[in-house]
Amino acid sequence: AQKVTQAQTEISVVEKEDVTLDCVYETRDTTYYLFWYKQPPSGELVFLIRRNSFDEQNEISGRYSWNFQKSTSSFNFTITASQVVDSAVYFCALVDSSYKLIFGSGTRLLVRP
Amino acid sequence: EAGVVQSPRYKIIEKKQPVAFWCNPISGHNTLYWYLQNLGQGPELLIRYENEEAVDDSQLPKDRFSAERLKGVDSTLKIQPAELGDSAVYLCASSPGLAEYNEQFFGPGTRLTVL
Repeated sequence: AQKVTQAQTEISVVEKEDVTLDCVYETRDTTYYLFWYKQPPSGELVFLIRRNSFDEQNEISGRYSWNFQKSTSSFNFTITASQVVDSAVYFCALVDSSYKLIFGSGTRLLVRP
Repeated sequence: EAGVVQSPRYKIIEKKQPVAFWCNPISGHNTLYWYLQNLGQGPELLIRYENEEAVDDSQLPKDRFSAERLKGVDSTLKIQPAELGDSAVYLCASSPGLAEYNEQFFGPGTRLTVL
């Protein structure tokens, strides 16, 4: 069965600190896709990144970077030089052959000025 | 391009009352999803439509929940009768098609409070 675990329930950092959000997943499929979504206080889930299981290359987008390691079934997300606007709940999610988007329970990030 | 539209944004009802939520997906998106998000949890799929056909409703509590997507565009999710435990956020999402790699675009959700 598919499962996504985000062990960090809440993280609090001071602005400009770097922060890493952990994500561990389980699936029996060899082909699958991993996602990160951001949910600000407004409630709307905002897509951040998609990664397929055959592409382990790390990705950087501005202050955001993602580290995908199949050997440990992890897809971690790092925010460099965090800002107050980064405060939100972040969800890691998985889709495999079931076509269902399975979300983790989310990590609430609070960036304090 | 307009995003996924949901209404109402908030709804407060008493238990045993009926309630309905409406969703208008992004134009051209064939696949539509309804999710339930409890406080402090990630969204959980209730039902998925491909055009007007419900292709996965295994997670929908059919004794009290129903959904429809007439003409393959807008969708309505109904609860009758509502119970206290139904208090949650109901999210609608859409994607261009039923492929596992497709990004799902989410609406702002309807926050339901059952008293």
